[in-house]
Amino acid sequence: KAGVTQTPRYLIKTRGQQVTLSCSPISGHRSVSWYQQTPGQGLQFLFEYFSETQRNKGNFPGRFSGRQFSNSRSEMNVSTLELGDSALYLCASSSLTGGGFFGPGTRLTVL
Amino acid sequence: GENVEQHPSTLSVQEGDSAVIKCTYSDSASNYFPWYKQELGKGPQLIIDIRSNVGEKKDQRIAVTLNKTAKHFSLHITETQPEDSAVYFCAASRDNYGQNFVFGPGTRLSVLP
Repeated sequence: KAGVTQTPRYLIKTRGQQVTLSCSPISGHRSVSWYQQTPGQGLQFLFEYFSETQRNKGNFPGRFSGRQFSNSRSEMNVSTLELGDSALYLCASSSLTGGGFFGPGTRLTVL
Repeated sequence: GENVEQHPSTLSVQEGDSAVIKCTYSDSASNYFPWYKQELGKGPQLIIDIRSNVGEKKDQRIAVTLNKTAKHFSLHITETQPEDSAVYFCAASRDNYGQNFVFGPGTRLSVLP
């Protein structure tokens, strides 16, 4: 079974731009969560989607948003990028029996 | 909200020795506790998990123990090998199957040959 895939793997953007990251979960998994990983703040939960509905949300500003499609693939969007948004963005998928299984992440650099 | 503490932040052991990493959590409603291993350039890999109705779980050289009363759980790695070197994260979740994790800050484990 293929693992969680994330695209792109690396991104460089400038302040004020917006970015969209994509995540394809493990086949059959309906839950997708997103996390931000930075050296200073560690791993922080952004939001979780289940069957196209946002089920949980972390403490991030409204510039961070996401969605999930009917095939369980998910995207997250960050608008008006700030330098502090530079991070590794990870998504994880899970089934009803447990998880989460993380993808390799997207490394976002904001200049 | 939930807060997860993890100790030690760094740990060096000789190959073949055991390693123990400890975590405490604050939310008594948390009921799912996974452990992750993250190698350089990779996403976290789930290595073992435990639910609140179980006190201990073992998978080959890895074991996890949970003390609900004290709100702490520990990862035990026996017969460590150089390939065990990585950053280990504990996490806690209130969801039964845990997708809203609060992570500990991580432990960098180095296994010296």
